[in-house]
Amino acid sequence: GAGVSQSPSNKVTEKGKDVELRCDPISGHTALYWYRQSLGQGLEFLIYFQGNSAPDKSGLPSDRFSAERTGGSVSTLTIQRTQQEDSAVYLCASSRGTGASGELFFGEGSRLTVL
Amino acid sequence: LAKTTQPISMDSYEGQEVNITCSHNNIATNDYITWYQQFPSQGPRFIIQGYKTKVTNEVASLFIPADRKSSTLSLPRVSLSDTAVYYCLVGDAPRYYGGSQGNLIFGKGTKLSVKP
Repeated sequence: GAGVSQSPSNKVTEKGKDVELRCDPISGHTALYWYRQSLGQGLEFLIYFQGNSAPDKSGLPSDRFSAERTGGSVSTLTIQRTQQEDSAVYLCASSRGTGASGELFFGEGSRLTVL
Repeated sequence: LAKTTQPISMDSYEGQEVNITCSHNNIATNDYITWYQQFPSQGPRFIIQGYKTKVTNEVASLFIPADRKSSTLSLPRVSLSDTAVYYCLVGDAPRYYGGSQGNLIFGKGTKLSVKP
């Protein structure tokens, strides 16, 4: 696609439910990032995928959070047993992983609201 | 990982030049400096990237002193549409240069408000 695509754009769920957020990166981009942004705050790094290497999960806040990337393309971020503090915008970004700039291309985000 | 420090907010008027400085005292040899712009309800957007000295593109200039412990984003003649949050990011060199481009840490950013 032309850009990074994320779905759903908005998700309202009840506390304790599981949610899945999807990211479709730019075709050919080998690097994929997930960030979380709470209202009025900066970006919090969650996880990073690069090609076939083991992902860098150092930013995941708890074991309720997990992510996978199938076939080196689409990624799914799963939050189990959601809590109210999980409410935020979840941003996905991809980059070529090679080349001079390493520029990150961000999607529009998935806004999660946990009631 | 190099930590960055930026002013929380800045105010300016249309037509003025705005300079936002970012401190990164423990920047590593392989680290590049990148700036992103974020509008409300949108993901951040790349503005400019540099390693040392000065870089200029159609949007901004980036000044990096010899010790690389700080950098300054310069926005010439700002307009109301430049009102946004600006993030300074320091991270590994892209893989092309042998870096790992591991996790990239964003700071809290600088909220720039441009007034008429």
